[in-house]
Amino acid sequence: DGGITQSPKYLFRKEGQNVTLSCEQNLNHDAMYWYRQDPGQGLRLIYYSQIVNDFQKGDIAEGYSVSREKKESFPLTVTSAQKNPTAFYLCASSPSGYNEQFFGPGTRLTVL
Amino acid sequence: AQSVTQLDSQVPVFEEAPVELRCNYSSSVSVYLFWYVQYPNQGLQLLLKYLSGSTLVKGINGFEAEFNKSQTSFHLRNPSVHISDTAEYFCAVIELMTTDSWGKLQFGAGTQVVVTP
Repeated sequence: DGGITQSPKYLFRKEGQNVTLSCEQNLNHDAMYWYRQDPGQGLRLIYYSQIVNDFQKGDIAEGYSVSREKKESFPLTVTSAQKNPTAFYLCASSPSGYNEQFFGPGTRLTVL
Repeated sequence: AQSVTQLDSQVPVFEEAPVELRCNYSSSVSVYLFWYVQYPNQGLQLLLKYLSGSTLVKGINGFEAEFNKSQTSFHLRNPSVHISDTAEYFCAVIELMTTDSWGKLQFGAGTQVVVTP
């Protein structure tokens, strides 16, 4: 079955540590996205990538980094510079920039 | 879209009753419109979308939405909801900018629907 997988489902981090969230898709989509979701705020775009080896900052990129070395993979690193990283993180992909986006199941990150 | 407004943060509804979730957006260009549903601790699932053509769009689970260009609205309706429809619903918009090769999906803040017996 085609789809998007995110791992882990739950992640705990101590303050000052970097953590990497995994996102893999087998839909052969060119574009991939990372969103952050906080209660009552909808989804906010962190980074997006339209094609392999290229990515752009979204609305709240500070304290985050990404890479896109393979078409199917778009990992997100939450760095210690992110002041309030506790949130639900969603990865998505789409065939191009003007299509519906398909979402993964999410990773819930908690900073202890 | 400069903004996407979902007018109700929470909508309580009885089982088998109708429900309407309101969505308004602000944009001066053509748009694509979407409704997504999110069940607790899960990702988003597409309910329906409007790209062009008929302004009345039918989706999954008995949901439908109507695009009203003059009022810049895309309200979601279901004539008879089930307990399993309890979830958060998000309206989203992509502006069609001829100068860009990529369109940002702008989300509303979400409407929590709670269906009770």
